[in-house]
Amino acid sequence: AQSVAQPEDQVNVAEGNPLTVKCTYSVSGNPYLFWYVQYPNRGLQFLLKYITGDNLVKGSYGFEAEFNKSQTSFHLKKPSALVSDSALYFCAVSHMTTDSWGKFQFGAGTQVVVTP
Amino acid sequence: DAGVIQSPRHEVTEMGQEVTLRCKPISGHDYLFWYRQTMMRGLELLIYFNNNVPIDDSGMPEDRFSAKMPNASFSTLKIQPSEPRDSAVYFCASRPGQGPYEQYFGPGTRLTVT
Repeated sequence: AQSVAQPEDQVNVAEGNPLTVKCTYSVSGNPYLFWYVQYPNRGLQFLLKYITGDNLVKGSYGFEAEFNKSQTSFHLKKPSALVSDSALYFCAVSHMTTDSWGKFQFGAGTQVVVTP
Repeated sequence: DAGVIQSPRHEVTEMGQEVTLRCKPISGHDYLFWYRQTMMRGLELLIYFNNNVPIDDSGMPEDRFSAKMPNASFSTLKIQPSEPRDSAVYFCASRPGQGPYEQYFGPGTRLTVT
C-alpha cells in the first residue's frame, strides 16, 4: 500500500521569504513523487516530479523539491515566495506494481497563503 | 493540444435527476481518471481506465455512480439518481502509457444538487 502525508493544512509566508511545503510518503520499493498546484476554480497543474537520479528536482514557476529517501520526504521549496503563489498544493506518490500502474495517491493538500 | 476537456463546467440539478459529466482526454493518452473533490474528503479517485477498460472502480461511492469509456477520446461519469451529497467538483485526468508520467487534469465540473 502507498500513502502520502502533508502535515500542514496551511502555510503562511510573507512575500519574498522562502516557502516550504512538507510531504512524507510511505511506499514499498522505489516511489515516483509529484507536486501539483491548484488555483481557485481550476484543475490541478503539474509542477515537478522525482523519478530517479538527482535528489533535487527543479520545476515550473521557480519551485524545486528535494527527495530524501532516509526521511521518506519530498518537500516543495521556493527561495522567494510571490503573492501569486497562494494556492492549494498537493503531493502525490505512485509506485510501479502490476496492480497500481497509473494510480496516484494524493495528499490532503496544503493551502499556501503569501502575504504582501 | 487543448488539454483535457470537460463539460459542462457547471451543473445545477435537482435531487433525483440524472447527471452526466463528460470528458475528452488528451489525444494519445492511454489512462483516464475520474476524481471527486470536496472540502470534507479532499481529492478522491473514483475510477480509472486503461485503453478504455475500467481497471479500478473501488472508489465509486455506490451503485448510483457509473462510468464508461466507449472510445479513446470520450468518457462519461453518470449519477442516477443524484443526491445533495453528490455536490462536488469532479475532475477528469489523463496520462500517457505505463511509466512515471504525470497526470494532466481538466478544469473540472462543479456539480450542485439541490
